[in-house]
Amino acid sequence: GAGVSQTPSNKVTEKGKYVELRCDPISGHTALYWYRQSLGQGPEFLIYFQGTGAADDSGLPNDRFFAVRPEGSVSTLKIQRTERGDSAVYLCASSPPWGSGANVLTFGAGSRLTVL
Amino acid sequence: SQQGEEDPQALSIQEGENATMNCSYKTSINNLQWYRQNSGRGLVHLILIRSNEREKHSGRLRVTLDTSKKSSSLLITASRAADTASYFCATDRSRAGGTSYGKLTFGQGTILTVHP
Repeated sequence: GAGVSQTPSNKVTEKGKYVELRCDPISGHTALYWYRQSLGQGPEFLIYFQGTGAADDSGLPNDRFFAVRPEGSVSTLKIQRTERGDSAVYLCASSPPWGSGANVLTFGAGSRLTVL
Repeated sequence: SQQGEEDPQALSIQEGENATMNCSYKTSINNLQWYRQNSGRGLVHLILIRSNEREKHSGRLRVTLDTSKKSSSLLITASRAADTASYFCATDRSRAGGTSYGKLTFGQGTILTVHP
């Protein structure tokens, strides 16, 4: 597609539930990122994929968070046993292959997660 | 953790005036980027400056980088009401295989309001 697509745009869930957030990157972008943005803050890095593999998952806050990108395109961020502190906007971004001289990220509109 | 600190946190100006936002960071970087975020939407890349560059221009935007002071500034000239948004600086310190891979650390942002 023309841009990075994220679904759902809004998700309200109850504490303890499981949530999946989906990201469809720009076609041909091999690099994919997940960031989390809390209210009034800048985005914080969660995980980076190069192709199908998670090359850097150092930003995942704990083992309740997991992300996959099985075919090197669409990615899913999975949150188990959600907590109220997980409430935030989850942003996905993609970029062209490294070495192309461009390391500019194109962000999606985000998925706003609210945990009640 | 947030590496960048932005100043001011909020800026209110009249249309036609210039807007200057500053960003400071703590460790050495590969490049520094500025992004813009309209309320409730994803981030849009504005400009990237590499660590060996001192100044870059793009349209009405001018970015400077002083690596000795670990600081950057974004100047928007002849501001318009449509420039109203939050502006974030982001530093890239990532490195793998001899190149950076776009793992960004964002500041908390400056909220710019341009009054018509």
